[in-house]
Amino acid sequence: DAKTTQPTSMDCAEGRAANLPCNHSTISGNEYVYWYRQIHSQGPQYIIHGLKNNETNEMASLIITEDRKSSTLILPHATLRDTAVYYCIVRVGGNFGNEKLTFGTGTRLTIIP
Amino acid sequence: GAGVSQSPSNKVTEKGKDVELRCDPISGHTALYWYRQSLGQGLEFLIYFQGNSAPDKSGLPSDRFSAERTGGSVSTLTIQRTQQEDSAVYLCASSFGGPRVYEQYFGPGTRLTVT
Repeated sequence: DAKTTQPTSMDCAEGRAANLPCNHSTISGNEYVYWYRQIHSQGPQYIIHGLKNNETNEMASLIITEDRKSSTLILPHATLRDTAVYYCIVRVGGNFGNEKLTFGTGTRLTIIP
Repeated sequence: GAGVSQSPSNKVTEKGKDVELRCDPISGHTALYWYRQSLGQGLEFLIYFQGNSAPDKSGLPSDRFSAERTGGSVSTLTIQRTQQEDSAVYLCASSFGGPRVYEQYFGPGTRLTVT
C-alpha cells in the first residue's frame, strides 16, 4: 500500500474551513484514499473516501489532484468538536485477505475558539 | 440507525483471570474487526471476520487470545489468564465486505484494566 505523508499538527479558527493535506505520491491506480479521525478517548470514525473524483458527504469534502499524488480533506465550517487526529490511508479496495486498517501518525487538528 | 455497540464499556480484572468482551456490529455488515489501542499508542489489529470465519488472525498477540463470531453477527473476544500488558482499549469495527471493506465503523470500545 502507498505511503502517506501528513503534517503533524494544524490549527484552524472555529467557523472557518479546515483544509488537511495528504501526500501519497506512490499511489497506484487501484488504490483508494480514505480519511478517518479519532477524537480523544473515542474510537476512530470513518469520514470519506475516494478514488479519483472529488467526493462530498455530510461530514466533509475530499479533493484529489488529477495526478492522484495528493489530496485534501476539507471540513467546511469547523467546530470545536472537530478537534481530533485525522488519518489519511491509502488502500486497494475490495477483499484481498488484508482488510485491517493501519493508521500512521496523522494530523492533530486543533480548532481554536 | 444503531451503530456498533460493545460491552462492557469498562472492565477491571485481576491478573490471571479470564475476560470476555462483546461486540454487536451494525446490522447487515458482514465484516467484523477487533483492534486494540494502548494509552497514547496507535491502533493494533487483532483479528478480522468475514461472516463467521476468520481469514486473518495474524494480530492475535498470543494463544491466550481467541475470538469467535456466531450467526454472522455478534462477536466475543476472550482473553485467558490476563496479564497487565493486556490493559488497553479494545475496539470493534464492522463494515460491508467487498469494495466497501475499508469503510469501517467503530464501536466506543471496552477499556480493560488488569491489576
